[in-house]
Amino acid sequence: AAGVIQSPRHLIKEKRETATLKCYPIPRHDTVYWYQQGPGQDPQFLISFYEKMQSDKGSIPDRFSAQQFSDYHSELNMSSLELGDSALYFCASSFTGEGEKLFFGSGTQLSVL
Amino acid sequence: AQSVAQPEDQVNVAEGNPLTVKCTYSVSGNPYLFWYVQYPNRGLQFLLKYITGDNLVKGSYGFEAEFNKSQTSFHLKKPSALVSDSALYFCAVREGNTDKLIFGTGTRLQVFP
Repeated sequence: AAGVIQSPRHLIKEKRETATLKCYPIPRHDTVYWYQQGPGQDPQFLISFYEKMQSDKGSIPDRFSAQQFSDYHSELNMSSLELGDSALYFCASSFTGEGEKLFFGSGTQLSVL
Repeated sequence: AQSVAQPEDQVNVAEGNPLTVKCTYSVSGNPYLFWYVQYPNRGLQFLLKYITGDNLVKGSYGFEAEFNKSQTSFHLKKPSALVSDSALYFCAVREGNTDKLIFGTGTRLQVFP
């Protein structure tokens, strides 16, 4: 079965650079979530989209922005990268009928040097 | 605010023995509780959820969890542990009427042969 696909798997950037992370949800899923997981930390909710509209916002820095496109894929844009942004970024998707069950991608490991 | 607590950083158990991973919750209203498992360098995988109904919830891979309202607990259990169960386990609660999950700090389960 198709799963949530994230790209790239790994990304290395330098301070003050920008990064774009992509997420392709499971077909038919209408909600996308972004989570950030620092080393040894629990996942922290960043932002979510339902039917291409932002539905909820968590601890997402102002330097970050995200959107969901007409084909339901989502992108997380990160600017002015800081060392503390180094983390594993997960995307998850769900279908409203089963909104409590999230399917996670394998994540993008971002390293900021 | 909704929250969950996982009091144990690590749980060690011998293969074939029963295992318990503890989780307590603090919510206003009815709790929507979840367990997710994370294998190394992988996204979180859904194990089970409690929304309403029977206090004993059965999930994937032979896991189950017992919802205990008086003790505000939602411990994850398995009658007979496997070495392949070794992973990081996260308890989570859904926040209010949103789709945002609040995760616990995680418990590393180590099953020894």
